[in-house]
Amino acid sequence: DAGVTQSPTHLIKTRGQQVTLRCSPISGHKSVSWYQQVLGQGPQFIFQYYEKEERGRGNFPDRFSARQFPNYSSELNVNALLLGDSALYLCASSLGPSTVNSPLHFGNGTRLTVT
Amino acid sequence: QQPVQSPQAVILREGEDAVINCSSSKALYSVHWYRQKHGEAPVFLMILLKGGEQKGHEKISASFNEKKQQSSLYLTASQLSYSGTYFCGTETNAGKSTFGDGTTLTVKP
Repeated sequence: DAGVTQSPTHLIKTRGQQVTLRCSPISGHKSVSWYQQVLGQGPQFIFQYYEKEERGRGNFPDRFSARQFPNYSSELNVNALLLGDSALYLCASSLGPSTVNSPLHFGNGTRLTVT
Repeated sequence: QQPVQSPQAVILREGEDAVINCSSSKALYSVHWYRQKHGEAPVFLMILLKGGEQKGHEKISASFNEKKQQSSLYLTASQLSYSGTYFCGTETNAGKSTFGDGTTLTVKP
């Protein structure tokens, strides 16, 4: 079975631009979460979507937005990019909204570089 | 608030044991452990729920003390393949998993 797939794998943008990252969850998984990972740190929670509704939001500015589609795939959008947005963006899927019942399965991430 | 992991880094020889700790200032529903190798995605190892249970995965086991809001990951007779960064994730509210900054484990021959 295919794991979590993310696209693109790498992206270079300039300050002020907008970017859209995409994620396809494991078949049967209805929850998608987005994380930002800066080198040397753990993944920082951005959003969680379950059944196409936002279930959680981390401490990120309104420049960050996301949505989940009827097929449970998801997009993360970041507007007005800043240099500090450079990071690895990880998508994780799970069966349900809580890791108590189902663990997170991560994709390989999208490496975003803002110049 | 993110959990705190200790130590930040560990260097071992093959066959040696290690313990990685994870503590939280908030009450926890669950603790989950992941290993991330350089340039790869984090991979799920195990999840521990309330009740002080222990779990095992090959020679890797973990415990969860909900009263102390702590979890420990035990790596026994370490192998070269155990090298990587270990993250604990904690869930205080359904849908929001918070990760520590990781413990980098290096196993040398």
